[in-house]
Amino acid sequence: QPVLTQPPSVSGAPGQTVTISCTGSSSNIGARYDVHWYQQLPGTAPKLLIYGDNNRPSGVPDRFSASKTGTSASLAITGLQADDEADYYCQSYDNRWSGVVFGGGTKVTVL
Amino acid sequence: QVHLVQSGAEVRKPGASVKVSCKASGLTFSNDAIHWVRQAPGQSLEWMGWINDGNGQRKYSQKFQGRVTISRDTSAKIAYMELTSLRSEDTAVYYCARVGIRTEAFDYWGQGTLVTVSS
Repeated sequence: QPVLTQPPSVSGAPGQTVTISCTGSSSNIGARYDVHWYQQLPGTAPKLLIYGDNNRPSGVPDRFSASKTGTSASLAITGLQADDEADYYCQSYDNRWSGVVFGGGTKVTVL
Repeated sequence: QVHLVQSGAEVRKPGASVKVSCKASGLTFSNDAIHWVRQAPGQSLEWMGWINDGNGQRKYSQKFQGRVTISRDTSAKIAYMELTSLRSEDTAVYYCARVGIRTEAFDYWGQGTLVTVSS
């Protein structure tokens, strides 16, 4: 079972906003370790979407934003587009497991 | 332009071992931390371990401790991941990924290597 909990799926119509939650605990997100987000298109490697809780790498549209509070983090996609259909994963560090941990992934469907 | 290019797909029988390579270009490599992450069919990402820059210190996930070995050939800019005592549950796509110094996240990924364990 993944250490970080994400909803299995979210959906929205084009142009709408969807939010993906990532729930952790006091040994990972709650311990103030950075949360990173990745987008994975079918059949491809994950791509870094957000790093350090809320920073976008060069080339990532500002339609993607993220936040963190307490033991949870969230990713928001505004102005949803067809090519946003993908799996999204949160990632952090866990001091109980002494290693990198991922969420279970959330499939975003554009209706 | 940074590239991580992995070796091709492998098929192994249960109990065998597999060694996957990850060749880097466009980065210093000796100063880069290289991690290995796997993804079973239809499943999430799972961290396996990493080898850091400088002295080549390694750290492995508790789940794979004793079965996984991560190594590197710094002069050739190649990282390796060897997994032993394979079982069917090890069937997955294995990725190498670099942690960026600025982002502290996996900013570059290999294309993935499918390892199939089947009798």
